[in-house]
Amino acid sequence: ILNVEQSPQSLHVQEGDSTNFTCSFPSSNFYALHWYRWETAKSPEALFVMTLNGDEKKKGRISATLNTKEGYSYLYIKGSQPEDSATYLCAPTGYQKVTFGIGTKLQVIP
Amino acid sequence: GAVVSQHPSWVICKSGTSVKIECRSLDFQATTMFWYRQFPKQSLMLMATSNEGSKATYEQGVEKDKFLINHASLTLSTLTVTSAHPEDSSFYICSAGRLAGGSSYNEQFFGPGTRLTVL
Repeated sequence: ILNVEQSPQSLHVQEGDSTNFTCSFPSSNFYALHWYRWETAKSPEALFVMTLNGDEKKKGRISATLNTKEGYSYLYIKGSQPEDSATYLCAPTGYQKVTFGIGTKLQVIP
Repeated sequence: GAVVSQHPSWVICKSGTSVKIECRSLDFQATTMFWYRQFPKQSLMLMATSNEGSKATYEQGVEKDKFLINHASLTLSTLTVTSAHPEDSSFYICSAGRLAGGSSYNEQFFGPGTRLTVL
């Protein structure tokens, strides 16, 4: 899978605001989509893996949706907190092969 | 999630020397380990995939003689950057994989990465 695009590349939000990011990818040869959170000086942490069109996953204030037909996924953060500050990577996966987007760098301002 | 360690976290070396980076899965046996490189303002780029006991599969454009990968056990993989040059300066990160989704994709658990600076 090539041409993984994430937008925006960076954003600043105020504490308490909700926000969302986009990951777009070619819809052919799709097996799964991963979202990772990557805090500075730490390991990327898996948030979600989704495989089916229409999948929605939720983990606390963070949720994600998947549209495999049109090739996009949204990640939502409700009521952003400073600890949400990180780079969020999406990684669509073909058969045993994963491609990473450049990430969306989120800064939550207290 | 599973824990993967990576050492060293940073290294500075002189041009022409070799550097070894270790990646260990601490609490599970990884069928596959992956090595990535990230240049500034770019995405993680897969360098190679290694399976325990077999030769690594390198991505196009990655020199296998320069980036030696050894995967001697299900919990340890090493990447050796041989005869390092300043252009090899980068962020290197490994992941340990576990098959999921009916074996159609790997669930990956990442180490914290290694910052290599070649002078």
